[in-house]
Amino acid sequence: QQQVKQSPQSLIVQKGGISIINCAYENTAFDYFPWYQQFPGKGPALLIAIRPDVSEKKEGRFTISFNKSAKQFSLHIMDSQPGDSATYFCAASKGNGETSGSRLTFGEGTQLTVNP
Amino acid sequence: DTGVSQDPRHKITKRGQNVTFRCDPISEHNRLYWYRQTLGQGPEFLTYFQNEAQLEKSRLLSDRFSAERPKGSFSTLEIQRTEQGDSAMYLCASSLVRARNTEAFFGQGTRLTVV
Repeated sequence: QQQVKQSPQSLIVQKGGISIINCAYENTAFDYFPWYQQFPGKGPALLIAIRPDVSEKKEGRFTISFNKSAKQFSLHIMDSQPGDSATYFCAASKGNGETSGSRLTFGEGTQLTVNP
Repeated sequence: DTGVSQDPRHKITKRGQNVTFRCDPISEHNRLYWYRQTLGQGPEFLTYFQNEAQLEKSRLLSDRFSAERPKGSFSTLEIQRTEQGDSAMYLCASSLVRARNTEAFFGQGTRLTVV
C-alpha cells in the first residue's frame, strides 16, 4: 500500500525557473513531513521539513506548502540552479514518542533536471 | 567525520552467500534505522532500534535478514543465503529522539549486488 504518492516522476526546468513537486498522503496520523534530496551514489539528505500546525515553511530558495484538509504538500524550489539537479523525495512519519516509531514513509521520488 | 558511516560502500556477492553490513550512527543518536532502496524508488523501511532494543521490523525483513545493535552504538545488518532480489542500496539513518524533532540523518549506503 503506497501511503505517500509523489508527482511528477521527472521534471525539467530552466535555470532560474520554479520547480514544483507534489505529494499526497493517506494516513491522517502522519505529523511530520520532510523533503530529502539525493544525488547519485549518496544517501538522502534532509532539505526542509514541516509539521501540520503551519501551512507554509520557507528556508532560502526552498518552500514547503502544506494543505492538511487535502492531505497534500508540495516543495517549491525558487530560482532553480543546475546544482539542484537531483532526485527529491517527500516523506512522512507519525509520532515521536517513546512507543511510536518515527520511521519515514517515502514517496517514489522526482528526478529534477535544471538546464543551464 | 561526525555523520552516519556505513561500511562497505559496495559489496558484490554470489547468490547464496551471507553478507554483513555495518552502520555507525552519529554518536549521541539513540535511534538507528535501516532502509532498503532499489533503483528508481524511494527508501523502504526495514527495521529500527532505540538504543539496543529492536522495536519494529517491516514485513520486508524476511527471516534471512537479521539486524543487531549490541551496545546501542553501531549496528549490523546480515543477509543470509542472498538472492538476486536482495540487490539494492541498504541505507542506515540515525536520529535523536526528543520533543518534536524527528530529523533523521542518512549514511551514504551500502550498494549490494548479488550475482
